[in-house]
Amino acid sequence: DGGITQSPKYLFRKEGQNVTLSCEQNLNHDAMYWYRQDPGQGLRLIYYSQIVNDFQKGDIAEGYSVSREKKESFPLTVTSAQKNPTAFYLCASSIFQPITMNTEAFFGQGTRLTVV
Amino acid sequence: AQSVAQPEDQVNVAEGNPLTVKCTYSVSGNPYLFWYVQYPNRGLQFLLKYITGDNLVKGSYGFEAEFNKSQTSFHLKKPSALVSDSALYFCAVRDFHRDNYGQNFVFGPGTRLSVLP
Repeated sequence: DGGITQSPKYLFRKEGQNVTLSCEQNLNHDAMYWYRQDPGQGLRLIYYSQIVNDFQKGDIAEGYSVSREKKESFPLTVTSAQKNPTAFYLCASSIFQPITMNTEAFFGQGTRLTVV
Repeated sequence: AQSVAQPEDQVNVAEGNPLTVKCTYSVSGNPYLFWYVQYPNRGLQFLLKYITGDNLVKGSYGFEAEFNKSQTSFHLKKPSALVSDSALYFCAVRDFHRDNYGQNFVFGPGTRLSVLP
């Protein structure tokens, strides 16, 4: 059954801790993305990766880090430098087509992170 | 940079009536436009995408979207709304990021659709 799996569904973090959110896909997609969703603000891009071992900062990368060591995996670490990490985090993947860009993204079910 | 706007935070419609969720875009070059739906505490589900040359695009669950180049709009429509259509709807556009190498999706703020029985 193909798709994107995010884990855990809910995550609680203490102040000053780093936490890592998992994202795995078996769609054989080259491109993967991390978005943050806050109420009333839509989705904002944190990081994206077009190929293995390469990734680019998005609009709100400060306080976050990623790695892309395998095609199917794109974990996101929320560091203690992120001042307001409580949010809903969404991972997505898509086919990478540099010429025609009409390939849609597929999303995981999200991880809700809460700072306690 | 490419962008989309969704001018309505909330749309209310009675069950069985037609619905429209509005989206306008600002792009340089060809527009690559998408609609997604999100149910509470879930990820986004793809509904449909604009195909160059097709002014009316049909998608999942009976939804369709009307592309209008002169008005730079890509409105989502459904002829007869269902209570189960109540959700958050996002319009999105593909964006070239920085040096034209990177691509990502830029999302509108979302429109909450409530279908009343």
